[in-house]
Amino acid sequence: AQSVSQHNHHVILSEAASLELGCNYSYGGTVNLFWYVQYPGQHLQLLLKYFSGDPLVKGIKGFEAEFIKSKFSFNLRKPSVQWSDTAEYFCAVLMDSSYKLIFGSGTRLLVRP
Amino acid sequence: DSGVTQTPKHLITATGQRVTLRCSPRSGDLSVYWYQQSLDQGLQFLIQYYNGEERAKGNILERFSAQQFPDLHSELNLSSLELGDSALYFCASSNPQGTNTGELFFGEGSRLTVL
Repeated sequence: AQSVSQHNHHVILSEAASLELGCNYSYGGTVNLFWYVQYPGQHLQLLLKYFSGDPLVKGIKGFEAEFIKSKFSFNLRKPSVQWSDTAEYFCAVLMDSSYKLIFGSGTRLLVRP
Repeated sequence: DSGVTQTPKHLITATGQRVTLRCSPRSGDLSVYWYQQSLDQGLQFLIQYYNGEERAKGNILERFSAQQFPDLHSELNLSSLELGDSALYFCASSNPQGTNTGELFFGEGSRLTVL
């Protein structure tokens, strides 16, 4: 079955630490890839997206993600996190232009000041 | 503010009851999606409508139903409620052309508590 896996459910970092959140999906066809973020008490919002082209994509607030097709991965990175990055991060995959955007289970990030 | 409006924000009801959640998409968006977020299941896709027609179905129970009206607002009806239906229900809408890029705009959710 098509699925999206986020292996880190909870991550705790200190400010200025580097961040990498893993995302893997199980599907061999064409995909559109996304990271959404949900700040405490807020709605989900788009952080960045990959449709095609350069596999390294940059999003808002200094986040970037790299699509590695051979590994079916789309990991999220940020060189130096801030306290305001505390949120839940969701990887999402749209497979072959289907109408179902499938989300991973989410990773809760806590950044300590 | 995403432009997607959901009501009510909070709802507490009893098992066996029926509730209706309402969603108004962003102005001009033709597609509406419903997701259920619970602690143990994560964010689960329920159903999608495009311009009044059902377009995709996910893990939606038979006790749940949805529709999209001519003015493009959508309602999610949950009946014969069980304790396990307690969750945050999100509505999202997508771009006005209706093409499915996966870029969704989410509402703030309706938190349902079933006692």
